[in-house]
Amino acid sequence: GAVVSQHPSWVICKSGTSVKIECRSLDFQATTMFWYRQFPKQSLMLMATSNEGSKATYEQGVEKDKFLINHASLTLSTLTVTSAHPEDSSFYICSAMGQPNHYEQYFGPGTRLTVT
Amino acid sequence: KQEVTQIPAALSVPEGENLVLNCSFTDSAIYNLQWFRQDPGKGLTSLLLIQSSQREQTSGRLNASLDKSSGRSTLYIAASQPGDSATYLCAVQRSGSARQLTFGSGTQLTVLP
Repeated sequence: GAVVSQHPSWVICKSGTSVKIECRSLDFQATTMFWYRQFPKQSLMLMATSNEGSKATYEQGVEKDKFLINHASLTLSTLTVTSAHPEDSSFYICSAMGQPNHYEQYFGPGTRLTVT
Repeated sequence: KQEVTQIPAALSVPEGENLVLNCSFTDSAIYNLQWFRQDPGKGLTSLLLIQSSQREQTSGRLNASLDKSSGRSTLYIAASQPGDSATYLCAVQRSGSARQLTFGSGTQLTVLP
């Protein structure tokens, strides 16, 4: 099956700093990538959709200047949390969709972000 | 706006029981429905994907059904095992080009040995 990786798997950063999370499709070309966040004991909430080479489309209520998404290649998307605050602490999961089928999303293992 | 509801929120059963998890959605214009498993602190494992034109899918002890017109899906787990303990999430995929998934809040399953 298609494999998606995320790096790092967990990160701790200080309030006010920025942190970058990478999402890679290892064995297929991902034309579309999605970023979700998940609070403890809650479900996944879609943050944004990114298509390779285009600007990301953010869901209502998600600050695009705070959560910078770049999808510069068919195998890599990055999420940068800028000026992080403790309330940004969460589990961030990416998914990727592309060849050979264009409907199934393959999920990464997630990144645990803790802002102190 | 699509809303996905899962009932029950939590379920505890003794090992060996057959069980059913329920998922309902408000907008029947879906492309497909998918069931996932999530272990604590981990990512998602895809269990079954049902296309909108299909009525059910089976994999081992798992069987998922889809009734698009009524906005319902069920995940049936036969002969439950302690290793089945996890949170089960259903998600519906939007029709059209966007293909976003909307997730339910999950059912936390505990299978007691």
